[in-house]
Amino acid sequence: TQLLEQSPQFLSIQEGENLTVYCNSSSVFSSLQWYRQEPGEGPVLLVTVVTGGEVKKLKRLTFQFGDARKDSSLHITAAQPGDTGLYLCAGAFSGGSNYKLTFGKGTLLTVNP
Amino acid sequence: EAGVTQFPSHSVIEKGQTVTLRCDPISGHDNLYWYRRVMGKEIKFLLHFVKESKQDESGMPNNRFLAERTGGTYSTLKVQPAELEDSGVYLCASSQLVFWGNTEAFFGQGTRLTVV
Repeated sequence: TQLLEQSPQFLSIQEGENLTVYCNSSSVFSSLQWYRQEPGEGPVLLVTVVTGGEVKKLKRLTFQFGDARKDSSLHITAAQPGDTGLYLCAGAFSGGSNYKLTFGKGTLLTVNP
Repeated sequence: EAGVTQFPSHSVIEKGQTVTLRCDPISGHDNLYWYRRVMGKEIKFLLHFVKESKQDESGMPNNRFLAERTGGTYSTLKVQPAELEDSGVYLCASSQLVFWGNTEAFFGQGTRLTVV
């Protein structure tokens, strides 16, 4: 069974602070996606990374894909209350079924004003 | 354009009863997926349709679960008879392509199923 470890599970910070969420596996990903989910809604895609070492930026969010394509991180700079939500990483593993996404447990982020 | 729609939003049923969940994917999306999140656990894959055909149902927990997608449009997921451990949030997603490197899954809001 291919597992995807996501940490931390819970994060409560003050507005303006920086934070990093990690996503790790012992297996190689063919691609990895980060989603954000708000209460009562389904996950919404933030970014997809495919190439080892890739870095993508989305406003104050920076996504990195490890060189070996086994890990990824999401860094938020100067967090704002609007960033509050559940952040999920989801990967498709190399050699496996590319249509099957494996999810981490998620990181519940609370940004306090 | 309408997104992925799931019905009902919530369902509370007694153990042993039958429940049918429905998912309407985005129009034109051949790929439809069912996922489930049990409390405290990660979102897990249940099955994948390509049009009306089941591409992969390896994630279905047992034979109490039956998914259909007649005509390749909407899909239903029936649980019969429901057990307590079936409680969770059932998510449906659709996508244009199957390679996640260049496509995204559009998720519905989910159906929260509670079996009492």
